[in-house]
Amino acid sequence: RKEVEQDPGPFNVPEGATVAFNCTYSNSASQSFFWYRQDCRKEPKLLMSVYSSGNEDGRFTAQLNRASQYISLLIRDSKLSDSATYLCVVADPRNSGGYQKVTFGTGTKLQVIP
Amino acid sequence: ETGVTQSPTHLIKTRGQQVTLRCSSQSGHNTVSWYQQALGQGPQFIFQYYREEENGRGNFPPRFSGLQFPNYSSELNVNALELDDSALYLCASSLSGRASGSEKLLFGSGTQLSVL
Repeated sequence: RKEVEQDPGPFNVPEGATVAFNCTYSNSASQSFFWYRQDCRKEPKLLMSVYSSGNEDGRFTAQLNRASQYISLLIRDSKLSDSATYLCVVADPRNSGGYQKVTFGTGTKLQVIP
Repeated sequence: ETGVTQSPTHLIKTRGQQVTLRCSSQSGHNTVSWYQQALGQGPQFIFQYYREEENGRGNFPPRFSGLQFPNYSSELNVNALELDDSALYLCASSLSGRASGSEKLLFGSGTQLSVL
């Protein structure tokens, strides 16, 4: 089983649609969770952190279910500019040497169509 | 914010050669991580340096090595290049403290390496 698994995509949705991405992780001790956005042939950029109580940033809502080891990202009212790959990222607790393992999912590609 | 800069942006090498990729971290960031991203995949962790010492390593062979300098710039060296090493190599800097939680990674724009 992969450490971080995401919907394979691609997701092709019309402008204005609501789209949801899912992600599962294997390590129950994982501590922190993020969604990154990556445009074609560019570097990943932090979209938002994911908090236990769920959090929202404009049209984006992130949810965490620790019991099911599941993370989600909801995008409402999709824009053409939302077209990108969305990477689920999981960070484990820091070890005694100060190292914190960060694992990326393979990403889910979103294409918003006019 | 100075950001993270990487050089070169593109590189073509042949199998068996050696390559050095460079990264200049965000000012004040004391930790640098290197990732390999093959086409259609997520970034794969190579290793991390904190205060000039490697303190974490992914599943990569010893021919992948690195250095971090006192000014927090860093290098990724790959010896005996193989065709499968063709990928986007990303450097990410962050600010680590033993008492801190998860740091957010700030990525450079990457070096696209092609091995022929």
